[in-house]
Amino acid sequence: EAGVAQSPRYKIIEKRQSVAFWCNPISGHATLYWYQQILGQGPKLLIQFQNNGVVDDSQLPKDRFSAERLKGVDSTLKIQPAKLEDSAVYLCASSFGAGGSNEQFFGPGTRLTVL
Amino acid sequence: TQLLEQSPQFLSIQEGENLTVYCNSSSVFSSLQWYRQEPGEGPVLLVTVVTGGEVKKLKRLTFQFGDARKDSSLHITAAQPGDTGLYLCAGRLGGTASKLTFGTGTRLQVTL
Repeated sequence: EAGVAQSPRYKIIEKRQSVAFWCNPISGHATLYWYQQILGQGPKLLIQFQNNGVVDDSQLPKDRFSAERLKGVDSTLKIQPAKLEDSAVYLCASSFGAGGSNEQFFGPGTRLTVL
Repeated sequence: TQLLEQSPQFLSIQEGENLTVYCNSSSVFSSLQWYRQEPGEGPVLLVTVVTGGEVKKLKRLTFQFGDARKDSSLHITAAQPGDTGLYLCAGRLGGTASKLTFGTGTRLQVTL
């Protein structure tokens, strides 16, 4: 079974530029998560989708970050404009359902460096 | 301030040694999970504990959930180089649908 796919794996941009990340979850998984993992810290949830609806985006900096999952399958996360402090690994995860008994499967992440 | 504090932050040991990693909070969690993350990869779930005092074993790894469900520990017996990685605890504060809050992480290096 294919895992969670993310692209690109690495991205280097200058501050104030825009960037977008793509995630394709495991087939059949209704719940999709985007996490931000700053170096030396654990992942922090940015946004959770259930199918194509947003369940939790309380920690998403909405002035510069946006995410969508239009058809309830793959998802994109965008940063516009990027700041230095956005340098991090952006992890996408998916699970069959939203309940705690549903294991989250993580993709390899996109490492973003903002110069 | 982090909701889940892990200690130690870094641990470098030799093959065959035992070690314990701690995950502490002042909050009560409905469940707690442990993950291992290798460089360039996402975290992989090792175990989920839900009952206070619960102990689970996974080969050489022993996980314990505190009686009050505020803390947890991970003990590795006879560490091997393959155990090298970032160990993360993560808990749910509310019901089963509440979001996962990750700890600060413990980076383990096991050398020959």
